[in-house]
Amino acid sequence: SSELTQDPAVSVALGQTVRITCQGDSLRSYYASWYQQKPGQAPVLVIYGKNNRPSGIPDRFSGSSSGNTASLTITGAQAEDEADYYCNSRDSSGNHPWVFGGGTKLTVL
Amino acid sequence: EVQLVETGGGLIQPGGSLRLSCAASGFTVSSNYMSWVRQAPGKGLEWVSVIYSGGSTYYADSVKGRFTISRDNSKNTLYLQMNSLRAEDTAVYYCARVNWDNWFDPWGQGTLVTVSS
Repeated sequence: SSELTQDPAVSVALGQTVRITCQGDSLRSYYASWYQQKPGQAPVLVIYGKNNRPSGIPDRFSGSSSGNTASLTITGAQAEDEADYYCNSRDSSGNHPWVFGGGTKLTVL
Repeated sequence: EVQLVETGGGLIQPGGSLRLSCAASGFTVSSNYMSWVRQAPGKGLEWVSVIYSGGSTYYADSVKGRFTISRDNSKNTLYLQMNSLRAEDTAVYYCARVNWDNWFDPWGQGTLVTVSS
């Protein structure tokens, strides 16, 4: 089955830029969506489509894609950005409609 | 305001059944793709099931044959009937709307299902 692979953990200094990546064959055909999840809370959509932010999501969040890799970039990370981040996309293998990455825990130092 | 509220979680013995509900407001469930996603304690997100606006349903291999997704258009509510529950089904279950066939938004607050004797 198709998989999306994420680094388990990433850290960034306060105010610096961090890139969180997501790799998978599905990403050659479909855009990734990105979700932020803080402890004890439901996931929140932060990026969808080519590079779109839902209302209320700060413009320091952006998305990009190249080949089989999608990236979520936080430019000027804030303390409140510390969270788990998950990517997802359609599953091009046809086994299941959608697939999620394993998640990346972002620590803001 | 677009909102989803899940109910129905709880402690259930292995082999038991449980039905989760997801009440929607601010949009029409039957006009959208609606999905269930779960998260085992300390683990990542796992897609579970979807019901398309046309009524077609799909399931993850891990729940196929045991779980059934459905909706009640008159109540604007999504359901997940879970039978033959196993310890590995223990998770927080979220419902979410699938937009334009690709992204999940909004999400409900989640309901915890614990399968244990």
